[in-house]
Amino acid sequence: QVQLQESGPGLVKPSGTLSLTCTVSGDSVSSGHWWSWIRQSPGKGLEWIGEILDNANYNFHPSLKSRLSMSIDKSKNLFSLRLSSVTAADTAVYYCARDSGLSGTSAYFAYWGPGILATVSS
Amino acid sequence: QSALTQPASVSGSPGQSITISCTGTDTDIGAYDYVSWYQQHAGQAPKFWIYDVNSRPSGVSSRFSGSKSGNTASLTISGLQPEDEAEYFCSSYAASGFYVFGTGTKVTVL
Repeated sequence: QVQLQESGPGLVKPSGTLSLTCTVSGDSVSSGHWWSWIRQSPGKGLEWIGEILDNANYNFHPSLKSRLSMSIDKSKNLFSLRLSSVTAADTAVYYCARDSGLSGTSAYFAYWGPGILATVSS
Repeated sequence: QSALTQPASVSGSPGQSITISCTGTDTDIGAYDYVSWYQQHAGQAPKFWIYDVNSRPSGVSSRFSGSKSGNTASLTISGLQPEDEAEYFCSSYAASGFYVFGTGTKVTVL
């Protein structure tokens, strides 16, 4: 069974960099699936952040592209997110997810981690 | 890049049918059939609920069905049950290679 678990600091200072890791079990990050980050601001909806297939293939949300990087560590079976120049607007629960493998698209997020709250505050 | 529009809340009595709408544009829902729905109970991660507009992943009840017309997708819950009380989000692939979610609809079983 595929399981994902987010980890990282729960508090980041404004203008700093948010770094999160998603550890995968029950699957390999090299299995050909797309791995995504999705966030949910308190009391609000979901926002797709970006996805990565390998360290040469990734897609980012246009509004976050300039501040965002992602990477995969095959040796540790995990993938990571780094979001720079954060503000209070980046405070959210961050989820990592894996695509479903259905219909030949990465558009469906079938497996989700439990989420981690990242707060931007001084 | 705006979120898809959903009603904030929908309610119904047990056994009734309800429908949740999800309105996008001709660059997301109107352009692609990569429409999906997610169920989220309070304090939990979303669950994959509907894909390809109207297909159900294994384990999802046949009481849930999806449809699409033009720029609007819909999720219908038939025979509403107490465990269906949750928030539901739609999602679509959008031009330029990213994904957009809906604003979310809270379903209340009266």
